[in-house]
Amino acid sequence: LAKTTQPISMDSYEGQEVNITCSHNNIATNDYITWYQQFPSQGPRFIIQGYKTKVTNEVASLFIPADRKSSTLSLPRVSLSDTAVYYCLVGDMFSGGYNKLIFGAGTRLAVHP
Amino acid sequence: EAGVAQSPRYKIIEKRQSVAFWCNPISGHATLYWYQQILGQGPKLLIQFQNNGVVDDSQLPKDRFSAERLKGVDSTLKIQPAKLEDSAVYLCASSPLEGAQETQYFGPGTRLLVL
Repeated sequence: LAKTTQPISMDSYEGQEVNITCSHNNIATNDYITWYQQFPSQGPRFIIQGYKTKVTNEVASLFIPADRKSSTLSLPRVSLSDTAVYYCLVGDMFSGGYNKLIFGAGTRLAVHP
Repeated sequence: EAGVAQSPRYKIIEKRQSVAFWCNPISGHATLYWYQQILGQGPKLLIQFQNNGVVDDSQLPKDRFSAERLKGVDSTLKIQPAKLEDSAVYLCASSPLEGAQETQYFGPGTRLLVL
C-alpha cells in the first residue's frame, strides 16, 4: 500500500485559499487518492476523491499531476470552520474488493480571523 | 439519511476491566469498519466486516479484542481485559460496498479512558 507524506500543520487566515500537498511516490496504477476531514470529537468525513487531473466539488478541488506522485487539496476562501485535520489517503480500487484505508497523522489546518 | 450511530460516547474504566462498544451502520451498508484513534494520530483499522464475515482483522489484538457483526447489521467491539494503552477513540464506519473508491461514513466515536 502506498505511503503518503503531508505537512504536519498549516496556518491560514479567513478568506484565503489553502493548498495542502500530499506526496505518494509509490502510488500504484489502481490507486485512488482520497481526502478526509476531521473536526475535534468527530469521525473523519469524506471531502473529495480523484484518480487523475482535476476534480472539483462544492467543498474543494483536487489537483493530480500526470505522474500522480503527489496531489494537492485546494480549499477556496477558508473560514474559521475549516479548522480541522485533513488526511490524504491512497487506496487500491481493484484489491479483490478490499477497501483498506491507511491514515497517516494528517495535516492540522488552523484558520485564524 | 441517518448516519452511523455509536454508543456509548464516553467510557471510563480501570485497567483489567472489560468494555464493549456498539455500532449501528447506515442502513443497507454492506461493509463495516472499526478503527482505533490514539490522540494525535490518524485512525488505525482494527477490523473490517463484509456483511457478517471478517475481511481483515490483521491489526486487531486478538488476545484482548474481539468483534462481531450481528446478522450483517449492528456490530460490537469488546476489550477484555483493558490496558492503559487502549485509551483512545474507537470509530465505527460503514460503506455501501467494498472498493477503495467507496466513501466510508464515520460515526462520532466512543472515547475510552483506561485508568
